[in-house]
Amino acid sequence: LAKTTQPISMDSYEGQEVNITCSHNNIATNDYITWYQQFPSQGPRFIIQGYKTKVTNEVASLFIPADRKSSTLSLPRVSLSDTAVYYCLVGDWRLTGGGNKLTFGTGTQLKVEL
Amino acid sequence: DAGITQSPRHKVTETGTPVTLRCHQTENHRYMYWYRQDPGHGLRLIHYSYGVKDTDKGEVSDGYSVSRSKTEDFLLTLESATSSQTSVYFCAITMEAGTDTQYFGPGTRLTVL
Repeated sequence: LAKTTQPISMDSYEGQEVNITCSHNNIATNDYITWYQQFPSQGPRFIIQGYKTKVTNEVASLFIPADRKSSTLSLPRVSLSDTAVYYCLVGDWRLTGGGNKLTFGTGTQLKVEL
Repeated sequence: DAGITQSPRHKVTETGTPVTLRCHQTENHRYMYWYRQDPGHGLRLIHYSYGVKDTDKGEVSDGYSVSRSKTEDFLLTLESATSSQTSVYFCAITMEAGTDTQYFGPGTRLTVL
């Protein structure tokens, strides 16, 4: 599984756009990039997944450059409730037929203030 | 909502006692996982299951065993709890066949004194 590197923490203010970048230099051809969000005392929650270029959903956007060695999670106009830990994961679910042994790093602690 | 419940939600026990944590799902998903989460380590996979009676080890399986006799229940057992197993334990399922999107339960906070 490809190793990922992301900042330990980030600070922002309400209403700003936040971009969290994840580095995954050893990403394999069949790997997907997935981001999870975790609030205190809760389990992680799936945010978004992508393979290349750009993916957008109602919560976030995911930007993946052509070389796929990094990815950026973009949260538009954050609010206090976006304060959480964000995890970047890389892996190929097809290798294990859906029984994917995900590897979570320590994530990025995002703190949003007024 | 992936229909995942964990029990108990909190438990305090003493070193050397056996402990069993239960993960229950209501939607007959094939894949289930147990993770532990500790400060500075993120989440680490303990064991996972890909069907009834089919289980395999994860990254930190020493000191833990699992069983899955029914699709809906995945049990994690600490045969003889140690203080190093004080942690928050999360159960997860893969909701869709062929994707790595996992959905997590609410967690069990275990303290071993």
